[in-house]
Amino acid sequence: AQSVTQLDSQVPVFEEAPVELRCNYSSSVSVYLFWYVQYPNQGLQLLLKYLSGSTLVKGINGFEAEFNKSQTSFHLRKPSVHISDTAEYFCAVSYTGNQFYFGTGTSLTVIP
Amino acid sequence: DTGVSQNPRHKITKRGQNVTFRCDPISEHNRLYWYRQTLGQGPEFLTYFQNEAQLEKSRLLSDRFSAERPKGSFSTLEIQRTEQGDSAMYLCASSRGDEKLFFGSGTQLSVL
Repeated sequence: AQSVTQLDSQVPVFEEAPVELRCNYSSSVSVYLFWYVQYPNQGLQLLLKYLSGSTLVKGINGFEAEFNKSQTSFHLRKPSVHISDTAEYFCAVSYTGNQFYFGTGTSLTVIP
Repeated sequence: DTGVSQNPRHKITKRGQNVTFRCDPISEHNRLYWYRQTLGQGPEFLTYFQNEAQLEKSRLLSDRFSAERPKGSFSTLEIQRTEQGDSAMYLCASSRGDEKLFFGSGTQLSVL
């Protein structure tokens, strides 16, 4: 079955510390991968996406993610988090570019 | 670019009643998606349109759900004979046909 797994439902981290949010997907020949962020009381916003090419993708707000085909992973990282990064983060995959499958989300809480 | 607009923001209804939600996508976007999100879960795909054509519909979508996009602009999602299990956040997203989705803030449905 086509799916996305986000193993960590909640990730607390101290301000200015690094963070990694994990995402694994069901393998396929071609895949498009995304990370979306949802701030409280706001709609989802695209953080970054991988379509092809370089496996290291840089997004907004200092986030980056690395596509690892052998491990079927697309983990999101930030070297130093800020209080304003507190939000829900969703990994998503598309196999056709038409339908998008979302993970269950990871709640990132940045502790001052 | 005024963003994706959804109305109403909140809807409380009694079980058995019909409800209708509206989504106004970004004007030049030809694709429109409906998702449902419950607490602790990621967005779950319901259906999507390219212009006025409904191209795909989730198998999870019961016959009580119907969506339209009559002129290829705004869309409506109707739920007939609502059940308590329909309580969720209903999200609308649009795109230009590339892989970036723009989400609205959603309509929160509570079925009593």
